[in-house]
Formats: sequence, structure tokens, C-alpha cells
Amino acid sequence: RKEVEQDPGPFNVPEGATVAFNCTYSNSASQSFFWYRQDCRKEPKLLMSVYSSGNEDGRFTAQLNRASQYISLLIRDSKLSDSATYLCVVIYNTDKLIFGTGTRLQVFP
Amino acid sequence: DAGVTQSPTHLIKTRGQQVTLRCSPKSGHDTVSWYQQALGQGPQFIFQYYEEEERQRGNFPDRFSGHQFPNYSSELNVNALLLGDSALYLCASSFATETDTQYFGPGTRLTVL
Repeated sequence: RKEVEQDPGPFNVPEGATVAFNCTYSNSASQSFFWYRQDCRKEPKLLMSVYSSGNEDGRFTAQLNRASQYISLLIRDSKLSDSATYLCVVIYNTDKLIFGTGTRLQVFP
Repeated sequence: DAGVTQSPTHLIKTRGQQVTLRCSPKSGHDTVSWYQQALGQGPQFIFQYYEEEERQRGNFPDRFSGHQFPNYSSELNVNALLLGDSALYLCASSFATETDTQYFGPGTRLTVL
């Protein structure tokens, strides 16, 4: 079983739609959680951290469920510019990031 | 304030050859991590350097080695290249006390023929 699992997609949604991605992790000792965004042929960039209490940044909402060991990302009012691959990242020691395979989102007009 | 830089941008090698990739961390950062990203996959941790020492290593063979210099820049060396080593190699830098916040460079795309 992979340490971090994501549905690779693609998720094809129209502009203005709400879309949600889930990610599951296998190590219950995981300490920190993040969502990264990666545009085609570019480096990953931190989108947001994920906290137990949930957190929101504009149109983006991230949530963590430790009991079920999953993380979610909700994007509201999707824009064309949201088209990218969204990578779920888990840390269970402070030295390395463990990435999922990524979920590809394509927003169409 | 310069971000993380990597060189070269692209590289083509043949099987059996050796390659060296270079990374300069973001100004002020002292820790460098290297990742390999194969097509359609997420980045996989190779190793991390701090104070010129390898601090932690992922599940990669000894053909992958690295080095960190006193100015915190780093090199990744891969010997006896295999076709499967074709990937995007990403360098990320951070503070030693905040390694959960890593900034990535643009990567080096290595193609092995």
C-alpha cells in the first residue's frame, strides 16, 4: 500500500463549479499535512497547510480527519487558472515530504 | 531575494553514463533535499543534506550520491545511469529547524537514452 494515495483524475469541471479531492495516508504517526499545486512541467508550490481544525484560504478549504486518515481539498467557484495537478503531502518526521501521485484538475470554459 | 536555482535545466545522457546536477538554495536556507519525479508520479524523496552531511535518505540505490558545500549549495550525482532514471529532479531548500516548509527549484529534466 502506498504511503499517500490520491485519485489521479483527471477531474474535468466547468468554470464556477465546486470540486473536491481526497487523499488518504497510511501512517497514523503522520504529523503535518499540506496541499501543493504543480503546473505542467513546473515545480510544486505550496498551496496550503492542513490543520485538524480545518482551514480556508479564499476559495480553497482544506480539512484533516485523523481518525480516518484522510485529507481533503475543496475548491469553490473554479477558475480556468485552477487547472493544475494537486499534490497531497504528508510528513511523519521532519526530514522529508511524502507526496501522493497527484490529482489532475482541468477547468473548462 | 533569489529563490532556489538548479542547473542544468535539461540534460540528455546515455545508459551507463554519470551525471551531476546542481542546486543553490534560497538565500538564508541551510538544508537541501533532493526529489525524483517520474512522469505521472509525485516526487520521491532521495536524500537531504545539512551541515555538509547526509541527514536522511530515501529508498534509492547507492548509485545516487550527493554533496553539500560550505555555502549550502548541493550536488546530486547519479552513476551508471539506467533508462528508469529519466525524470525531473527537484531540489528543495529549507531552514534546518523548519524542514516541513520547503521551497522547490524549477528542476532538472534528465533523459536517459
